[in-house]
Amino acid sequence: EVQLVESGGGLVKPGGSLRLSCAASGFTFSNYRMNWVRQAPGAGLEWVASISSSSRQIYYSDSVKGRFTISRDNANNSLYLHMDTLRGEDTAVYYCARDLQSSSSNFAYWGQGTPVTVSS
Amino acid sequence: EVVLTQSPATLSLSPGDRATLSCKASQSVSSFLAWYQQKPGQAPRLLVYDASNRATGIPARFSGSGSGTDFTLTISSLEPEDFAVYYCQQRSDWPLTFGGGTKVEIK
Repeated sequence: EVQLVESGGGLVKPGGSLRLSCAASGFTFSNYRMNWVRQAPGAGLEWVASISSSSRQIYYSDSVKGRFTISRDNANNSLYLHMDTLRGEDTAVYYCARDLQSSSSNFAYWGQGTPVTVSS
Repeated sequence: EVVLTQSPATLSLSPGDRATLSCKASQSVSSFLAWYQQKPGQAPRLLVYDASNRATGIPARFSGSGSGTDFTLTISSLEPEDFAVYYCQQRSDWPLTFGGGTKVEIK
């Protein structure tokens, strides 16, 4: 069974940093592109970043480019999102999501989400 | 950036009704469009990918159609568990984008 478990969310002050983790199990992690998607309170879904299986291809939304860094550790079946220079508008539940096929960008499996609150 | 516009914002229907949800893209996304369902407090669930392919375990009452810029998700007969928010998402081009969502509520 595919499982994705996010951790690392919490309360952080504007301008601060946070690192989110996603522990994957139940599939061959190194075969799949992985993604972060977020949802602000009461709002819709927003794609944040994607990383290919080999980490060679990385993509970011314009809203986080230059501030967030996606990375992965295939040996430990883990995905990360390092968030710097956080702003109030980064407040959201952050979901880790796996592609349906190796690099399809259809989000077939999701974690339960980890909440991030940016506030002074 | 491909902008996806979903309509209507809210659909008020009764169990057993047919639901028709629309997603329009600002430019062609070919057939690279997916639909997701999200219930309160839960992560989204993939329903349909590449416009018309049902994901594993998705009931046959859900069907997707369309190509280019106009897409439709149809729920043939609403079950109580289908009342939720539905999002479309394109994978034709970066950045990946989602529509604003359609809430299907009980009338």
